[in-house]
Amino acid sequence: NAGVTQTPKFRILKIGQSMTLQCTQDMNHNYMYWYRQDPGMGLKLIYYSVGAGITDKGEVPNGYNVSRSTTEDFPLRLELAAPSQTSVYFCASSDRANEKLFFGSGTQLSVL
Amino acid sequence: AQRVTQPEKLLSVFKGAPVELKCNYSYSGSPELFWYVQYSRQRLQLLLRHISRESIKGFTADLNKGETSFHLKKPFAQEEDSAMYYCALSGSGNTGKLIFGQGTTLQVKP
Repeated sequence: NAGVTQTPKFRILKIGQSMTLQCTQDMNHNYMYWYRQDPGMGLKLIYYSVGAGITDKGEVPNGYNVSRSTTEDFPLRLELAAPSQTSVYFCASSDRANEKLFFGSGTQLSVL
Repeated sequence: AQRVTQPEKLLSVFKGAPVELKCNYSYSGSPELFWYVQYSRQRLQLLLRHISRESIKGFTADLNKGETSFHLKKPFAQEEDSAMYYCALSGSGNTGKLIFGQGTTLQVKP
């Protein structure tokens, strides 16, 4: 049982490059989330989705975009990478609102 | 504004000592509160939630609405409890969005 799968695990980008962080879940969860984790700052919500075709901004959406064309996949796009986007990114999913979140293993991204 | 505060970045105790990880929140409605834990090289996972009022791995947490707190407690710490602990608040609406505190690293020394 895979749960929530994130790829890649590590990535180094140059300033101005773009990339997509992949997230897929096999639990048929409607709710999916992208968080970033910065030292001493906790986790901040970037974007979330309550079902296929529905996405909305979280607390720190600037510089990111998402799409949710299927229930399983929720990719996060960085268009013009900046050093401030150096972070660890976590994807999570849940069956219903306010239920247990299942997290992916994270993507460590460095922008140099 | 909705906010979660964990005042301690690091809490260091000896094995067998009691543990209390503090969490205070700011929320105008009826809160849904959670504790998540991240052990070394493992995924972030749910430890417990206030609504279920259960004890997981010997940890308990009581919601105190008067003091707007949801402190995590364990009477006797074990070395395997060493981890990063996050308190989280579910915000308004039916979206399941969580607001996380800054996290507290618990270090249990032998």
